[in-house]
Amino acid sequence: KQEVTQIPAALSVPEGENLVLNCSFTDSAIYNLQWFRQDPGKGLTSLLLIQSSQREQTSGRLNASLDKSSGRSTLYIAASQPGDSATYLCAVRDGAQKLVFGQGTRLTINP
Amino acid sequence: DTEVTQTPKHLVMGMTNKKSLKCEQHMGHRAMYWYKQKAKKPPELMFVYSYEKLSINESVPSRFSPECPNSSLLNLHLHALQPEDSALYLCASSQEGGGGSTDTQYFGPGTRLTVL
Repeated sequence: KQEVTQIPAALSVPEGENLVLNCSFTDSAIYNLQWFRQDPGKGLTSLLLIQSSQREQTSGRLNASLDKSSGRSTLYIAASQPGDSATYLCAVRDGAQKLVFGQGTRLTINP
Repeated sequence: DTEVTQTPKHLVMGMTNKKSLKCEQHMGHRAMYWYKQKAKKPPELMFVYSYEKLSINESVPSRFSPECPNSSLLNLHLHALQPEDSALYLCASSQEGGGGSTDTQYFGPGTRLTVL
């Protein structure tokens, strides 16, 4: 059974810092890996999707990497801003239609 | 347009009530999903519809009854719920009904359900 773990559970950093969020998964047989952002009480916003054949994806200040063989992904956020404060969820597509989520990292950017 | 809409935003119901949640997308997606999310937990998959047919039921109690009237619309009918069913219910959709490595799921804002 696929298990997804995110470390750390919570992170607080000053504005302007670069930071890395970590995600690991136990079964490397994945279709893709998706990073989401969730603001309190809201739905999920898709940030980046990395296909199983890809190593990284970039969107603006965000860069996500995937090392399928070791079961790891990282989300790099450059020059963090208070508006980046949210919970970040990693999810792997394990099988045809199922997403398996990690517990999330709650990020706080302090002005 | 990458929007998934959900109504209502909030719903309060008693344990004997019958209510429905509605989800709509106009992106031409062929797969639609219901998730349940408790506070400070990740979303948990409940149902998947692929090409308007139920393809996955994650052993959800029968008091939750999904329906897909057409490719753009997904309903979740609720009956005789319990207080522990209170949660944020999220709908999502994706392009490929059969899955695939490029298939991104797009989520709606959710319905906050409270069962008294």
